[in-house]
Amino acid sequence: GENVEQHPSTLSVQEGDSAVIKCTYSDSASNYFPWYKQELGKRPQLIIDIRSNVGEKKDQRIAVTLNKTAKHFSLHITETQPEDSAVYFCAATTSGTYKYIFGTGTRLKVLA
Amino acid sequence: EAGVVQSPRYKIIEKKQPVAFWCNPISGHNTLYWYRQNLGQGPELLIRYENEEAVDDSQLPKDRFSAERLKGVDSTLKIQPAELGDSAVYLCASSSGKQGRGEQYFGPGTRLTVT
Repeated sequence: GENVEQHPSTLSVQEGDSAVIKCTYSDSASNYFPWYKQELGKRPQLIIDIRSNVGEKKDQRIAVTLNKTAKHFSLHITETQPEDSAVYFCAATTSGTYKYIFGTGTRLKVLA
Repeated sequence: EAGVVQSPRYKIIEKKQPVAFWCNPISGHNTLYWYRQNLGQGPELLIRYENEEAVDDSQLPKDRFSAERLKGVDSTLKIQPAELGDSAVYLCASSSGKQGRGEQYFGPGTRLTVT
């Protein structure tokens, strides 16, 4: 069945450094890849997404890259801040089905 | 615009008791999802609705779980009887479901504790 693998499961970085989280998907028909940030006890919040017709998307300190051939996509956070500390989830879906498959999450800690 | 609304936010019940969760999606969103999220894990889909039709319930444990979305808006998820292993956060989400769009938005969740 469809599967999304996410690495690493935990990541600690110093404030100001960059953080990279990687996901690999199995369904070659997937064409929409959102990233969610979930703070402790709160709902997952959509922070950025990318569709299969582009290779990269950037929004201020956050960027996502997509390699369709390799079936993987990555979240890049630059100039990390303590408030970036949270669990980040990637997901993959196919427009038309709207069935989201989530990764297992990455707990990011930004050390001040 | 109001987000996805869920109630209750917290529920503690004894095993073998029934429990129900309610969700009101974002206005105009015809796709509604129920997920279960265990501690330290990603959301796992239980059931997905397109309007009032359940189009994917393959992950719903049908012996004890049921869901409905009678008018294609609000939805209720029920567990009867609850088991200890059902303790989790139950998340509702909705999306517009339009071709080429479909960003999904989550509600705050219901944290269920079964004792």
